[in-house]
Amino acid sequence: EVQLVESGGGLVQPGRSLRLSCAASGFSFDDYAMHWVRQVPGKGLEWVSDINWNSGGIAYADSVKGRFTISRDNAKNSLYLQMNSLRTEDTALYYCAKGLFYGGYDYFDSWGQGTLVTVSS
Amino acid sequence: EIVLTQSPATLSLSPGERVILSCRASQSVSSYLAWYQQKPGQAPRLLIYDTSNRATGIPARFSGSGSGTDFTLTISSLEPEDFAIYYCQHRTSWPYTFGQGTKLEIK
Repeated sequence: EVQLVESGGGLVQPGRSLRLSCAASGFSFDDYAMHWVRQVPGKGLEWVSDINWNSGGIAYADSVKGRFTISRDNAKNSLYLQMNSLRTEDTALYYCAKGLFYGGYDYFDSWGQGTLVTVSS
Repeated sequence: EIVLTQSPATLSLSPGERVILSCRASQSVSSYLAWYQQKPGQAPRLLIYDTSNRATGIPARFSGSGSGTDFTLTISSLEPEDFAIYYCQHRTSWPYTFGQGTKLEIK
């Protein structure tokens, strides 16, 4: 069974940094692209970033480009999101999601339960 | 950026009824469209990908169709557990975008 467990969320002041982690199990982690998707509570879904199976392909939403960095460690079955220069509009529940494919354009076929990031002074 | 518009925003129906949800793209996404279901307090779940392929474990009462800019998700006979919010998403290019969602509520 696929399991994705996010951690690292919390309350942070604007301009500060936070690093999210996602521990994956139940599948061959290095065979799939991985994604971060966020959702403001009570609102819709926004794709944030993705990384292909070997970290050779990375993409970001314009809203986070230059501030967020996605990475993965296939030896540790882990996905990360380094978030710098946080803004109040980054407040959301951040989901780690497994891609349906190993790379390229993708869908999200398994999701974690999310970790809440609140950016406020 | 491709904008996906879902309609209607809310649907009130009874168990056993057939429902068709709509998703329209601002430009062609070919067949690269998926549907997700999200229940309160839960993460989304992939239902349909590439327009009409059911994801693993998804019941046959869920089906998808369409191409280009107009897509539909059909639930042939609503079960109590189907009342949720449904989102569409394309994978034609970055950024992937989602529709704003259709809420299916019990009448």
